[in-house]
Amino acid sequence: DQQVKQNSPSLSVQEGRISILNCDYTNSMFDYFLWYKKYPAEGPTFLISISSIKDKNEDGRFTVFLNKSAKHLSLHIVPSQPGDSAVYFCAASDQGGSEKLVFGKGMKLTVNP
Amino acid sequence: DGGITQSPKYLFRKEGQNVTLSCEQNLNHDAMYWYRQDPGQGLRLIYYSQIVNDFQKGDIAEGYSVSREKKESFPLTVTSAQKNPTAFYLCASSSLGYTFGSGTRLTVV
Repeated sequence: DQQVKQNSPSLSVQEGRISILNCDYTNSMFDYFLWYKKYPAEGPTFLISISSIKDKNEDGRFTVFLNKSAKHLSLHIVPSQPGDSAVYFCAASDQGGSEKLVFGKGMKLTVNP
Repeated sequence: DGGITQSPKYLFRKEGQNVTLSCEQNLNHDAMYWYRQDPGQGLRLIYYSQIVNDFQKGDIAEGYSVSREKKESFPLTVTSAQKNPTAFYLCASSSLGYTFGSGTRLTVV
């Protein structure tokens, strides 16, 4: 049973527009959520995170929103840039992010110039 | 520079052979993890270790083995019992957040 779901496998947006990546989870014990960015043949790199005590966290062009009642989070990238083209993984933890993470299947974002 | 190193980056093996993937970290992290990435499957946890001389199976441990004799090292052996070993393997360590290695692409022919 997949506990972290990224239901859309890909997204294509125009440079300068907003990219919205969605993630749903089923485990109500998850209390920490993270987004990772991955380029081909490289390891994922941390992008942004949010604790369950917050509903929004912002870092430059990246904002993560958390809706606990809906068990849904989203990553907004604005404005999108061609260098943002990568696979984005949503991940969740039930121990503040310091223990093993459960990852979604990933979503491939393509930002067209 | 602190980091996590996986070697080699590309590895080719004949079917039926065991192969060991290296993972070394100098971040002084207690926990280490092995994930496997397949197209459309995301990252799936193979094994993890929260402390030296201790490790637990992840979601897809069958056909794999690990050891954690030193804090810095967490090698993964892909045995001949693993039915579909060709994949991209990622090692990570954590202490209030994950750091990933750059991965090893294993191809079994």
